[in-house]
Amino acid sequence: QQPVQSPQAVILREGEDAVINCSSSKALYSVHWYRQKHGEAPVFLMILLKGGEQKGHEKISASFNEKKQQSSLYLTASQLSYSGTYFCGTEGGDYKLSFGAGTTVTVRA
Amino acid sequence: EADIYQTPRYLVIGTGKKITLECSQTMGHDKMYWYQQDPGMELHLIHYSYGVNSTEKGDLSSESTVSRIRTEHFPLTLESARPSHTSQYLCASSGPPGMDFGSGTRLTVV
Repeated sequence: QQPVQSPQAVILREGEDAVINCSSSKALYSVHWYRQKHGEAPVFLMILLKGGEQKGHEKISASFNEKKQQSSLYLTASQLSYSGTYFCGTEGGDYKLSFGAGTTVTVRA
Repeated sequence: EADIYQTPRYLVIGTGKKITLECSQTMGHDKMYWYQQDPGMELHLIHYSYGVNSTEKGDLSSESTVSRIRTEHFPLTLESARPSHTSQYLCASSGPPGMDFGSGTRLTVV
């Protein structure tokens, strides 16, 4: 079953912060976050494992609440290069990695 | 650096033809995946494999089939292409820490 992402889209000015949420109806073993730019393949940002700690990638970090089956991605002090579509992927321990519908982030100067 | 290759990059084919989309990886990953993605839309999992001789269907019902005879190779076959199969097909392999995607095959069935 595919996770649910929110919001669908967000527009930011450089330097602003944003949060993208991802929730699942099933118990999760791991949550993945990817960014896809127009015309390119998705690129891996980070993975959060059950029982693991919060991860970070430059000024992009994420958290994973296992009990609520939710994850959040935090974009801090956004840069123009952060523009793209962010996808969360969830896995329930069965190797099946399903993605949410994506959140389109637009960062403007 | 990801070493996952998909061929062809673009394919235009007539209705009813049989096609095979190739996907290979050189990282020795056990887990491989096929996703279908229309431009600007979400990624739909159509098939996955967690090792040689293991294949599973994904979330999106698909008329395609896959095989996994060798670790590095995970081809996708459409026995009879239809216009509804027009889309981009992305292959990926997963190993620590995350998933690497190929460049995709953009399929157009006319």
